[in-house]
Amino acid sequence: SQQGEEDPQALSIQEGENATMNCSYKTSINNLQWYRQNSGRGLVHLILIRSNEREKHSGRLRVTLDTSKKSSSLLITASRAADTASYFCAYQAGTALIFGKGTTLSVSS
Amino acid sequence: GAGVSQSPSNKVTEKGKDVELRCDPISGHTALYWYRQSLGQGLEFLIYFQGNSAPDKSGLPSDRFSAERTGGSVSTLTIQRTQQEDSAVYLCASSLAGRQPQHFGDGTRLSIL
Repeated sequence: SQQGEEDPQALSIQEGENATMNCSYKTSINNLQWYRQNSGRGLVHLILIRSNEREKHSGRLRVTLDTSKKSSSLLITASRAADTASYFCAYQAGTALIFGKGTTLSVSS
Repeated sequence: GAGVSQSPSNKVTEKGKDVELRCDPISGHTALYWYRQSLGQGLEFLIYFQGNSAPDKSGLPSDRFSAERTGGSVSTLTIQRTQQEDSAVYLCASSLAGRQPQHFGDGTRLSIL
């Protein structure tokens, strides 16, 4: 399967803590994306990191990419209850995006 | 509207019936994608449309699934003779041609009884 893998599958933290999610993939990529999905909603794009980038920031999000290990991580700092959602990494294979199975993040206040 | 619009938001039907799911992409987005999200399989690519080019149907799971895109805008995904394993959330996304990211609708939750 080309599907990426996220780790952990589920993560529960308190507000204010940091959350780290990891993604591994199996093929060469041009870029890797992270999406968020709130319950019952569609996916929202968070950040895209290109294969020649090692780290990228957007607000409270920090993404790293290690193409030699075929892995990426998403760090959410100072988490809030509103960050509760599922998070997916995705990479392009031809015209399609291949998604990992996601990490479900629960942030309690 | 500003985003991708999908209808209906929920659909319950009996096994063996045909269903049509609709997607209205963001204005100006020439690329349109359908995905299926189910508990067992995660998010799976189904089909891709780009302008007037022939669609990429490589993700369609069987010949019961088909999709069309009229006038380069609205798309309809049709599932014939539905089976219980077709129960899933069907997500549509659009983007500018050859560009990322993809912008997703809220999906149609399909339940086959």
